[in-house]
Amino acid sequence: GNSVTQMEGPVTLSEEAFLTINCTYTATGYPSLFWYVQYPGEGLQLLLKATKADDKGSNKGFEATYRKETTSFHLEKGSVQVSDSAVYFCALSTGANSKLTFGKGITLSVRP
Amino acid sequence: GAVVSQHPSWVICKSGTSVKIECRSLDFQATTMFWYRQFPKQSLMLMATSNEGSKATYEQGVEKDKFLINHASLTLSTLTVTSAHPEDSSFYICSASGLAGINEQFFGPGTRLTVL
Repeated sequence: GNSVTQMEGPVTLSEEAFLTINCTYTATGYPSLFWYVQYPGEGLQLLLKATKADDKGSNKGFEATYRKETTSFHLEKGSVQVSDSAVYFCALSTGANSKLTFGKGITLSVRP
Repeated sequence: GAVVSQHPSWVICKSGTSVKIECRSLDFQATTMFWYRQFPKQSLMLMATSNEGSKATYEQGVEKDKFLINHASLTLSTLTVTSAHPEDSSFYICSASGLAGINEQFFGPGTRLTVL
């Protein structure tokens, strides 16, 4: 079956630090890969996605590259801000019904 | 953007009672809605998928008689937790898809259920 593994958290960084959040996956077929973000008190929002190998998703300064050879989709940002403090979920979907499989999520806290 | 609301945002109930949670797509017609459950520090687990006007498809291990899902219109789905017990306490999240031309799920803010 499908599964997503995220690095253990929480992660605490100072403002302007470099961010990497690891995500690896196991899937049958060729999945689409996603990063979702959940700000305090809000629902999950799609941050970025990639639908095939070597695609790079990017949004709000965040990037992630679909690496089929390492089955990974690590999230990176060159300079985090306090407003990036949130919970980040890696996810994948396969098939036409768009069912999502999520990782456990990781809490990011950015200090001023 | 597409907005999905949930009501209530939190609810406390006594063991043995039933609780209904509503999920609404506010500015688009949702052909498919999904219900998830999230335990503290755990991932979101898909409970069921519902298409408007048809019976929900439940994931393995989810009791369909316990978690009743109704998707009667293109903007509303409800999840009823019947005869709730403390082990049903959790965070329930819905999502909706169907926005024209966009293959994406839009998530509600979630409902915190506490069963005493």
